[in-house]
Amino acid sequence: DADVTQTPRNRITKTGKRIMLECSQTKGHDRMYWYRQDPGLGLQLIYYSFDVKDINKGEISDGYSVSRQAQAKFSLSLESAIPNQTALYFCATSDLHNEEQFFGPGTRLTVL
Amino acid sequence: EDQVTQSPEALRLQEGESSSLNCSYTVSGLRGLFWYRQDPGKGPEFLFTLYSAGEEKEKERLKATLTKKESFLHITAPKPEDSATYLCAVQTVNDYKLSFGAGTTVTVRA
Repeated sequence: DADVTQTPRNRITKTGKRIMLECSQTKGHDRMYWYRQDPGLGLQLIYYSFDVKDINKGEISDGYSVSRQAQAKFSLSLESAIPNQTALYFCATSDLHNEEQFFGPGTRLTVL
Repeated sequence: EDQVTQSPEALRLQEGESSSLNCSYTVSGLRGLFWYRQDPGKGPEFLFTLYSAGEEKEKERLKATLTKKESFLHITAPKPEDSATYLCAVQTVNDYKLSFGAGTTVTVRA
């Protein structure tokens, strides 16, 4: 079983709809991250969380919100989706002692 | 502002033709430089972390090196299965976030 899972894997939605992307991990890591990836651009950090009570904005947090429901779960919400939020979204985790991040398989989101 | 630039954007190689990818960076203080491999439709997979100038790490046909301004990922005698996008990222001493470059897409033809 995958250590970092994301649901859904693909989603098509319409402008103005609220959508939630979910991430779960079995690695026991405290730190979790949400990134988006656009063609020709690097991964851009949306939000990150170092523990359940700690939530921080990344480079591109406008239009997004997150919830850390438990150590193992970190959700990303788009309150009112717009077409330029069409992208690949990745969740990642890391632990306190190792800086490497482990990524989930991604969610491909299309906003029409 | 931290900047990470990867070159070239794309690299097409013949099987066995060795080459290098470049990652140049401008940061206020480097904690570590990371290399990842990403296959189409998948999440990035960790390869290496380098912490100080002069450090080198190897894994199969891949070797990563670090200077004070850039890192190289050398691919020796590549095989078609080495085809992927290679991403580098930097982490600064000020925080634990990663700043990624746009990646180099490597295609190895048999």
